[in-house]
Amino acid sequence: KQEVTQIPAALSVPEGENLVLNCSFTDSAIYNLQWFRQDPGKGLTSLLLIQSSQREQTSGRLNASLDKSSGRSTLYIAASQPGDSATYLCAVRHASGGSYIPTFGRGTSLIVHP
Amino acid sequence: DAGVTQSPTHLIKTRGQQVTLRCSPKSGHDTVSWYQQALGQGPQFIFQYYEEEERQRGNFPDRFSGHQFPNYSSELNVNALLLGDSALYLCASSLETGLTEAFFGQGTRLTVV
Repeated sequence: KQEVTQIPAALSVPEGENLVLNCSFTDSAIYNLQWFRQDPGKGLTSLLLIQSSQREQTSGRLNASLDKSSGRSTLYIAASQPGDSATYLCAVRHASGGSYIPTFGRGTSLIVHP
Repeated sequence: DAGVTQSPTHLIKTRGQQVTLRCSPKSGHDTVSWYQQALGQGPQFIFQYYEEEERQRGNFPDRFSGHQFPNYSSELNVNALLLGDSALYLCASSLETGLTEAFFGQGTRLTVV
């Protein structure tokens, strides 16, 4: 059974810092990994999708890397801003009975204060 | 292009009642998955629908059932509601291949009293 762990569980930083959020998974036989952002009480917003054949993806100030063999992904946030405050979730998608069911971590709660 | 839309946004039900939640997938997507997210937890997979059939199911009791319509929209039904069913229910749509992004709706906040 795939298990996904996110570290740290919570993070509070001053504006402008560069951040690294970690996601680890136990079964390296994945198809892809997706990072999401979730604002309190809201749905999930997709940030980046990394296919198993890729090493990293970038979007603006966000960069996500994937090391499938070691079961790890990191989300790098450059020059953090108060608007980045949210919970960040990673989900790995692996084949299960012919379908592709994402397994989520519990998330990292980020607060960026001015 | 409308993304994934869910209705209603909030719902309050009494223990023992039944509830139906609705989801319209992103245009072009044929697969709908439902998740339950308790406070402070990651989303937990309930089930997935493709071609109007339940294709995969998570560890949820039979009180949770669903349906997918020919236009790919979907419903989640929960019978005999328990206090523990209070959660944010999320719908996600994707393509059947599973290799594309999954897009989520804003969720339905269900409170059982």
